Amino acid sequence: AQSVTQLGSHVSVSEGALVLLRCNYSSSVPPYLFWYVQYPNQGLQLLLKYTTGATLVKGINGFEAEFKKSETSFHLTKPSAHMSDAAEYFCAVSERGNQGGKLIFGQGTELSVKP
Amino acid sequence: DTGVSQNPRHKITKRGQNVTFRCDPISEHNRLYWYRQTLGQGPEFLTYFQNEAQLEKSRLLSDRFSAERPKGSFSTLEIQRTEQGDSAMYLCATHGAGLHYEQYFGPGTRLTVT
Repeated sequence: AQSVTQLGSHVSVSEGALVLLRCNYSSSVPPYLFWYVQYPNQGLQLLLKYTTGATLVKGINGFEAEFKKSETSFHLTKPSAHMSDAAEYFCAVSERGNQGGKLIFGQGTELSVKP
Repeated sequence: DTGVSQNPRHKITKRGQNVTFRCDPISEHNRLYWYRQTLGQGPEFLTYFQNEAQLEKSRLLSDRFSAERPKGSFSTLEIQRTEQGDSAMYLCATHGAGLHYEQYFGPGTRLTVT
């Protein structure tokens, strides 16, 4: 069965500092990988996804993530944090094939940005 | 705004009452998913439809829960005889045949059972 682990339920950075949110997955075959962001009392918004091809993927708002098969990881980074980045971030996987399917989410990482 | 709408946004009900939530997908999106999210956790899959067919149900979906998607358009999720443990955010997500893998989420319905 697939599973997702996000290391650190809460990450705090200063404005302008590097953001690194960690995600490791467990799957018998490499899945499709996603990062979503959730602002308070809102639904989830897709930041970026990896399905095939280049392992470094760029998303919205300056975020990027790198798929590393050997490490079963898909960590999310942003070179310079902005106050507006404060939110909950979720890593998710879905089974390869059939256009993807149900998402399996990690428990989330709350990002705080200090001025 | 992703184009997926959910109603109501908030629902407070007493234990034992029945509740129904509605999800309106992006037009022509053939797959529709329901997830449940409790405080401090990631969303958990409940069930999904391809057009009007319900193709998978999670073990989380007890017999008090039922979902429908008549005519493959909007979907409803009903909870009968609500329990306090049903308090959560219920999220709907959809994706279309031409938009591989990406699910678009609605704003959710927050259920509080008192």
